[in-house]
Amino acid sequence: KAGVTQTPRYLIKTRGQQVTLSCSPISGHRSVSWYQQTPGQGLQFLFEYFSETQRNKGNFPGRFSGRQFSNSRSEMNVSTLELGDSALYLCASNAHDEQFFGPGTRLTVL
Amino acid sequence: QKEVEQNSGPLSVPEGAIASLNCTYSDRGSQSFFWYRQYSGKSPELIMFIYSNGDKEDGRFTAQLNKASQYVSLLIRDSQPSDSATYLCAVAASGGFKTIFGAGTRLFVKA
Repeated sequence: KAGVTQTPRYLIKTRGQQVTLSCSPISGHRSVSWYQQTPGQGLQFLFEYFSETQRNKGNFPGRFSGRQFSNSRSEMNVSTLELGDSALYLCASNAHDEQFFGPGTRLTVL
Repeated sequence: QKEVEQNSGPLSVPEGAIASLNCTYSDRGSQSFFWYRQYSGKSPELIMFIYSNGDKEDGRFTAQLNKASQYVSLLIRDSQPSDSATYLCAVAASGGFKTIFGAGTRLFVKA
């Protein structure tokens, strides 16, 4: 059974640009969550999608958005990047009260 | 007050000892409680989850939950150097996977 895939693994952007990250969950899982991890703030919940609908949302500004497709793949988008957006972005594939994390996308904003 | 609080550590224990990791949470509506392990440079991996008051054991790991005190703990018996990692406590309310994580406790197991 394939695990959670996230692409790209590393990304370097400059302030003001936008970025799109992708996550492919485990086959059969319909829920995907996104998290931001930084040394200062730890793991913070961004949002969760279930069957193409946003089911839960964290306390991030509207520059952070996401969507889920009919095949359960999910994307998150960050517009107008700020230096503080530099972080590891983790996607989790969810089912039966368990979350399986992908390897993450390391975003650096210069 | 942070929603999920953990002692950041580091917690250092000798090989073979019991490591005790603690966590408190603020939301009384929390329904599910999780412990994750995260090695440096890796993603978190689930160790255990617990829903009901009391103890839950899985191999060398025991999770303990006390909802009245809003307290969750993880005991690691016979600690091994390979257990050296950051341990994240997480809680979730019902209705989906909005999981709130603590900052994590760094554990060092000395050989």
